[in-house]
Amino acid sequence: KNQVEQSPQSLIILEGKNCTLQCNYTVSPFSNLRWYKQDTGRGPVSLTIMTFSENTKSNGRYTATLDADTKQSSLHITASQLSDSASYICVVSLTYNDYKLSFGAGTTVTVRA
Amino acid sequence: EAGVTQFPSHSVIEKGQTVTLRCDPISGHDNLYWYRRVMGKEIKFLLHFVKESKQDESGMPNNRFLAERTGGTYSTLKVQPAELEDSGVYFCASSSPQQETQYFGPGTRLLVL
Repeated sequence: KNQVEQSPQSLIILEGKNCTLQCNYTVSPFSNLRWYKQDTGRGPVSLTIMTFSENTKSNGRYTATLDADTKQSSLHITASQLSDSASYICVVSLTYNDYKLSFGAGTTVTVRA
Repeated sequence: EAGVTQFPSHSVIEKGQTVTLRCDPISGHDNLYWYRRVMGKEIKFLLHFVKESKQDESGMPNNRFLAERTGGTYSTLKVQPAELEDSGVYFCASSSPQQETQYFGPGTRLLVL
């Protein structure tokens, strides 16, 4: 069983609308949680990195939240654009400077005009 | 600044053949990682180089996989002999000692027939 579970598996939204992606993890001990965006045919690109002491972090229209007590994170996309169509991957790192990352399977977001 | 590059972008080989994947990290990045995503699964860690030394190779699936990083610059990942279950996308990533962010390459799509 994967230690990082994401939901939903996929979703379709209309351009301009908001959406929220969920990530639950069981990785322990926990150092930081990252959200990556992966466009089709490209490698993942980092959106946000949060340590266990951070509750929220924003990167433009992307806002990530973290609840280390419940081991849940979310990624909120505001005013979606067609270019937001991609796979969004939740990734957990065990300890600081431990680069061995645990990946979720990703949520595929499709934004339609 | 050039990003992480990988070659080839695609490779189709027959079972039993040998394939060598190459990764050129961002210049100056001592840390280099190999990951793999098989169809329908999450991205999984294979191994981690610090300069030319293997720091962690616990994710390598078996002894048919050999990774090298002679001189601490580019890295190669050889699969010999390839099996059907080796099909997937192989990602390389790099990071500097001061940064937590890993920068991913576009991946090599390997198909073993």
